[in-house]
Amino acid sequence: GESVGLHLPTLSVQEGDNSIINCAYSNSASDYFIWYKQESGKGPQFIIDIRSNMDKRQGQRVTVLLNKTVKHLSLQIAATQPGDSAVYFCAENYGGSQGNLIFGKGTKLSVKP
Amino acid sequence: KAGVTQTPRYLIKTRGQQVTLSCSPISGHRSVSWYQQTPGQGLQFLFEYFSETQRNKGNFPGRFSGRQFSNSRSEMNVSTLELGDSALYLCASSFLAGGPGEQYFGPGTRLTVT
Repeated sequence: GESVGLHLPTLSVQEGDNSIINCAYSNSASDYFIWYKQESGKGPQFIIDIRSNMDKRQGQRVTVLLNKTVKHLSLQIAATQPGDSAVYFCAENYGGSQGNLIFGKGTKLSVKP
Repeated sequence: KAGVTQTPRYLIKTRGQQVTLSCSPISGHRSVSWYQQTPGQGLQFLFEYFSETQRNKGNFPGRFSGRQFSNSRSEMNVSTLELGDSALYLCASSFLAGGPGEQYFGPGTRLTVT
């Protein structure tokens, strides 16, 4: 499959455990944030988004937390499954323009059965 | 509904050559964006097209260009290839333009420049 990063931070968890992936963003003016999942050989897949007027948003088995004070974003995955193994990227955006979408370098999640 | 398709999936070119990559968006989607993904720089925005018009452009040299056709299919072209252009080129489509929103990525074209 495709290699998306040679030296990505790696998070290794046991199947069934909860996973927390962290991301520090750079621009205090960013007002929209997205988490993507990228499996080997595939393009990034949208997971969940959050706007800056919220500090928490929940999806199916995923929760995103936003702390604007310290410019920190986290993705929590409940009951992690082997199919969750992938590289996870956060992205920040300001002004609503596609050209202002800045991606983080990613974290590789490895789920042990 | 078919997803975003990109052709070719793999390509090997020599320095100085040019290359054209193709992207077919999801049916009904009129916005297509292109990204470059490398281990060192991660994902970087190249440009966005909507209704055959370039709406946004990232910070890449003029050797990188693109276009969109009336059926929303898009192509990107890189001229005078350099070794540093080796990357995974991703396109993404969305229904709306102008905002990142929920966009759907294709599998990418892996370009290797030798």
